[in-house]
Amino acid sequence: GAVVSQHPSWVICKSGTSVKIECRSLDFQATTMFWYRQFPKQSLMLMATSNEGSKATYEQGVEKDKFLINHASLTLSTLTVTSAHPEDSSFYICSVQGLGETQYFGPGTRLLVL
Amino acid sequence: QKEVEQNSGPLSVPEGAIASLNCTYSDRGSQSFFWYRQYSGKSPELIMSIYSNGDKEDGRFTAQLNKASQYVSLLIRDSQPSDSATYLCAVNTNAGKSTFGDGTTLTVKP
Repeated sequence: GAVVSQHPSWVICKSGTSVKIECRSLDFQATTMFWYRQFPKQSLMLMATSNEGSKATYEQGVEKDKFLINHASLTLSTLTVTSAHPEDSSFYICSVQGLGETQYFGPGTRLLVL
Repeated sequence: QKEVEQNSGPLSVPEGAIASLNCTYSDRGSQSFFWYRQYSGKSPELIMSIYSNGDKEDGRFTAQLNKASQYVSLLIRDSQPSDSATYLCAVNTNAGKSTFGDGTTLTVKP
């Protein structure tokens, strides 16, 4: 399966600042990556599908101007949370779609907005 | 009705027992089915994938799929305390996009 890394693993920021999270596919050329958010005791919520070289596809209710996604290469997708607020505090997880539509997840990024 | 439904649990079994996890889905056109395990504070990891009706075995894990009944299950034989985690059922209903259930929390007691 694909090996996926995320950076940073933890981030604490002040309200109003922007935070960028990187997702890298280390051994697999990923045309499609997914971004999820998970609140405590809840399941994964798909935020957007990141497509290499084109605009991301956002799920209903996810503000594309607040959660900026860039998939500039086959190994890197970034999620920028703009003007973060405390309610954006969550566990953000990316995944790479591999063979058979299997998803391989990164280790996740915990965001705490104060 | 949710697209993918799982028993929320918690499910508790003694060490060495069989743990049975169930999942139903609403879209009859679904083609790909997955079980992921998520330890507390960690991201999900793939346990099994299954694409056709019947059973698929991998070590202590067996996935069962019944498309007519829109049902997929995961059996864990000889359960170990290290199997204690939340198990997520995922169904691909659109091209490449997975819909996840809310997960079933399993506790294996020594």
